[in-house]
Amino acid sequence: ETGVTQTPRHLVMGMTNKKSLKCEQHLGHNAMYWYKQSAKKPLELMFVYSLEERVENNSVPSRFSPECPNSSHLFLHLHTLQPEDSALYLCASSQDHSPLTDTQYFGPGTRLTVL
Amino acid sequence: AQKVTQAQTEISVVEKEDVTLDCVYETRDTTYYLFWYKQPPSGELVFLIRRNSFDEQNEISGRYSWNFQKSTSSFNFTITASQVVDSAVYFCALSGGDSNYQLIWGAGTKLIIKP
Repeated sequence: ETGVTQTPRHLVMGMTNKKSLKCEQHLGHNAMYWYKQSAKKPLELMFVYSLEERVENNSVPSRFSPECPNSSHLFLHLHTLQPEDSALYLCASSQDHSPLTDTQYFGPGTRLTVL
Repeated sequence: AQKVTQAQTEISVVEKEDVTLDCVYETRDTTYYLFWYKQPPSGELVFLIRRNSFDEQNEISGRYSWNFQKSTSSFNFTITASQVVDSAVYFCALSGGDSNYQLIWGAGTKLIIKP
């Protein structure tokens, strides 16, 4: 595997379900990101991890819970979601947590539908 | 505050035509970076270019070229001899001290290349 991978690619869940999104980067990077991309909206940064520590939580509802067990893996745990949470969830990584100099590389995303 | 404007919501051209995607930004920083990403229908955001604020030289990469003009706060992207595979949504983004570590994204321009 190369680059940034995400599983599953598609997910349909009910509002009472609990599911997790997985992201893995094979680039040796130290920072990882979760973004939400909704139709007709700019990308929204949700969480940032640098060296496995969370450095940003952009006012994301608690029904989204990130986990970064090591610098290569990032999870997004989902529970009691709402239909408006349906979106494309993108994971990205960068060498370090320095936006001025670091380029973020993205995975293919997980298309989430909440019924 | 920082802002990125991509005024063209959608552009449609016939294959082999040249096409320019506009990007206008606002920032008070003197040091900042500008990015272009491509998002094909598969969903993955593909990094195209990063340019720092001190380098105003135009860049060419194959059929792609970028025109950075600080005087007009623009970072436009031109595809020469467009191909159907160029069809995608293209995003311009900005990062600088004002945004801390967050990329400020434009709304994207959907490019349709007709055969």
